[in-house]
Amino acid sequence: NAGVTQTPKFQVLKTGQSMTLQCAQDMNHEYMSWYRQDPGMGLRLIHYSVGAGITDQGEVPNGYNVSRSTTEDFPLRLLSAAPSQTSVYFCASRSYSWNTEAFFGQGTRLTVV
Amino acid sequence: GIQVEQSPPDLILQEGANSTLRCNFSDSVNNLQWFHQNPWGQLINLFYIPSGTKQNGRLSATTVATERYSLLYISSSQTTDSGVYFCAVSNFGNEKLTFGTGTRLTIIP
Repeated sequence: NAGVTQTPKFQVLKTGQSMTLQCAQDMNHEYMSWYRQDPGMGLRLIHYSVGAGITDQGEVPNGYNVSRSTTEDFPLRLLSAAPSQTSVYFCASRSYSWNTEAFFGQGTRLTVV
Repeated sequence: GIQVEQSPPDLILQEGANSTLRCNFSDSVNNLQWFHQNPWGQLINLFYIPSGTKQNGRLSATTVATERYSLLYISSSQTTDSGVYFCAVSNFGNEKLTFGTGTRLTIIP
């Protein structure tokens, strides 16, 4: 059971480039989300999805797009990378029930130069 | 939104010591989790504990939901316990997990 898998683990981008961070889960969880973690801070929610075809914004959505075409996958797109998007990104999933725990991927460390 | 405060922000202990980490939250919760972020950046699930007490080896946690706090106990600390411990909560009708800013634990041999 792989759980939540993120790719890549590390990425360096130039300002203005685009890229997609991949996230896949094999637990048939309905709810998936993306967080970013900046130095000295906890995790902040970027976007989330409660099921295929449904996405919504979190607290720091600007500069990021998401889509959810399948239950398993929830990619995060940076359309035009900026240095302020240098961060560690985590994907998480959980069952769509009030009392279940969230599981996180191993993170993607992104540097925008 | 719900506020989460963790204390202390930093903790330095000798190997073998015990520690208590605290998480206060500002509203009723239906989900509370403790995570350990190891020096490699991985988030490790420690406890899912919206209420009550749980134990797992040297670690245990207690959440008093009516008083809006949770405690994480680490006994007989080992160097591998070093890292940042996060508390995260969500409340009814809101799937978002809100994280505290963490407690950085350093265990000295």
